Amino acid sequence: DQQVKQNSPSLSVQEGRISILNCDYTNSMFDYFLWYKKYPAEGPTFLISISSIKDKNEDGRFTVFLNKSAKHLSLHIVPSQPGDSAVYFCAATANNDMRFGAGTRLTVKP
Amino acid sequence: GAVVSQHPSRVICKSGTSVKIECRSLDFQATTMFWYRQFPKQSLMLMATSNEGSKATYEQGVEKDKFLINHASLTLSTLTVTSAHPEDSSFYICSARGTGSGEQYFGPGTRLTVT
Repeated sequence: DQQVKQNSPSLSVQEGRISILNCDYTNSMFDYFLWYKKYPAEGPTFLISISSIKDKNEDGRFTVFLNKSAKHLSLHIVPSQPGDSAVYFCAATANNDMRFGAGTRLTVKP
Repeated sequence: GAVVSQHPSRVICKSGTSVKIECRSLDFQATTMFWYRQFPKQSLMLMATSNEGSKATYEQGVEKDKFLINHASLTLSTLTVTSAHPEDSSFYICSARGTGSGEQYFGPGTRLTVT
């Protein structure tokens, strides 16, 4: 039972443009959402998070949007840079349980 | 999509005892499994990487004698926290990668509380 889904396994974007990574969830009890970034041969690193009481959180080039009614969140990266090329995982937590999506591989082309 | 399960989802144990956590790939064969520990501020630390049938590779600073990892089959890896102490209380997450696939699928995690 995949409670957190990232339906796009890969995304390719030109440098300088916006990258939008999407994540859907099914469990309405999730109250905190996180995005992780993972480079090859490294563990995921925390990127940005958002509480369920908010609909937007911004940190530099990264913005996470939460649409609770649609059970959807997205990560916007603008402008995209080649160094952003990595796998991005979204995660959701409820009552100390954490569920991860399968990840989206972002490639930013120079 | 690929499913990874962990058992138990929560465990409370007394200080000095050992706890085993199982990680299973339910619908694919995982040649490589990873064990992570979640620290405060949501960061995930890679503890070790295990390949089926061989010894796990531990990250620097992770005590291999304390965190025993066994990857005996293509669908099962276990993490045993030996002589657990309260500071071992944490959220442990496994992930699995299949043959020929670069994708990594995470388990739901195990909340360990050592009293």
